[in-house]
Amino acid sequence: QSALTQPRSVSGSPGQSVTISCTGTSSDVGGYNYVSWHQQHPGKAPKLMIYDVTNRPSGVPDRFSGSKSGNTASLTISGLQAEDEADYYCCSYAGSYSWVFGGGTKLTVL
Amino acid sequence: QVTLKESGPALVKPTQTLTLTCTFSGFSLSTSGMRVSWIRQPPGKALEWLARIDWDDDKFYNTSLKTRLTIFKDTSKNQVVLRMTNMDPVDTATYYCARIPPSKVHFDYWGQGTLVTVSS
Repeated sequence: QSALTQPRSVSGSPGQSVTISCTGTSSDVGGYNYVSWHQQHPGKAPKLMIYDVTNRPSGVPDRFSGSKSGNTASLTISGLQAEDEADYYCCSYAGSYSWVFGGGTKLTVL
Repeated sequence: QVTLKESGPALVKPTQTLTLTCTFSGFSLSTSGMRVSWIRQPPGKALEWLARIDWDDDKFYNTSLKTRLTIFKDTSKNQVVLRMTNMDPVDTATYYCARIPPSKVHFDYWGQGTLVTVSS
């Protein structure tokens, strides 16, 4: 499978909202409601932020939300905070017991 | 508290076999529905799912790498091992292990990753 497409970078000022897109195909993002988003700070393990398109694990602030339309999923972070600066990766189940990931988006909080 | 940690050689030579170990705590791979996967990320490139092993010893592999990969578990040691044969410089990557919880289709906990460089 091909990697999911994410913007290389996005930025926003504290308090603003940003949206990161993740575009796949009908064989992955569009075919399953199994998109997840993972945050990674430098040198740290990735952290699950959203699963099954819209669900937040306990402990993840409700400033983080997910959505999907067709073959494109999105992660929206509202009320940006300095600690949100990190890399964000989307992931989708792609059938046949396999997963596909995005290339990652670097979020800069200005 | 769930933790996973990858270990293995930082440097391997081309054609050699890579063996990586994922040592985890906070859960058991004998619990029904529990699964562990390996995922890698070459420098500057996307993450790539490699393999998965289930609580019942079912195993699944990335079809493009299937002939080179072997995954197995040692439940008593809380470890999952990945072997990749015939290493090539393009296999240079950070290798992660991650947990998939029962009845779910996502990775909920990840290790920090281990960088493996393939070079002579």
